[in-house]
Amino acid sequence: DAKTTQPPSMDCAEGRAANLPCNHSTISGNEYVYWYRQIHSQGPQYIIHGLKNNETNEMASLIITEDRKSSTLILPHATLRDTAVYYCIAPPRFNQAGTALIFGKGTTLSVSS
Amino acid sequence: DTAVSQTPKYLVTQMGNDKSIKCEQNLGHDTMYWYKQDSKKFLKIMFSYNNKELIINETVPNRFSPKSPDKAHLNLHINSLELGDSAVYFCASSQRNQPQHFGDGTRLSIL
Repeated sequence: DAKTTQPPSMDCAEGRAANLPCNHSTISGNEYVYWYRQIHSQGPQYIIHGLKNNETNEMASLIITEDRKSSTLILPHATLRDTAVYYCIAPPRFNQAGTALIFGKGTTLSVSS
Repeated sequence: DTAVSQTPKYLVTQMGNDKSIKCEQNLGHDTMYWYKQDSKKFLKIMFSYNNKELIINETVPNRFSPKSPDKAHLNLHINSLELGDSAVYFCASSQRNQPQHFGDGTRLSIL
């Protein structure tokens, strides 16, 4: 897995956009960037993933730099329920089933009213 | 419908006992996993099964033995429980090249 680096914590006001950065300068050409989050010791929840292009789904947007060395997860209108630990992960491309996710320390996002 | 379900949710037991945790997924996935989250909140892979075949076996004491009776189930049996086994154990599943879906965890406490 490419090593990822995230800030340990971030704060965001409710209703504002939360922009969570991730550095993955050693990522290889076939490694995706995945984002998961864990809300208060629940199971990790998949958010979004991408390879080169920016991606958007109902939960978030993912912006990947052209050199693929960093990315930003954007929660466009953060709510209190978005308070969680956010993990940026770059597992090797699945050339076989069962590639493990390597979780780092993540970023603890605190959304306040 | 719960996609990945684990039982029990909480497990409190004495040191030296043997216990099992069950996991079932109704997503039709081929691959299932066990992860351990320790008191420092680090999540680490323990095992992975694909179509009932063990494909990932990290450095885990052999007191831990996964069993996959079919591709929808992956159980974790732990012998001779130790204090250091206290943790939250998460089961997950995925289809090839797809994101993993996690259960809500089993909180194991050893007295």
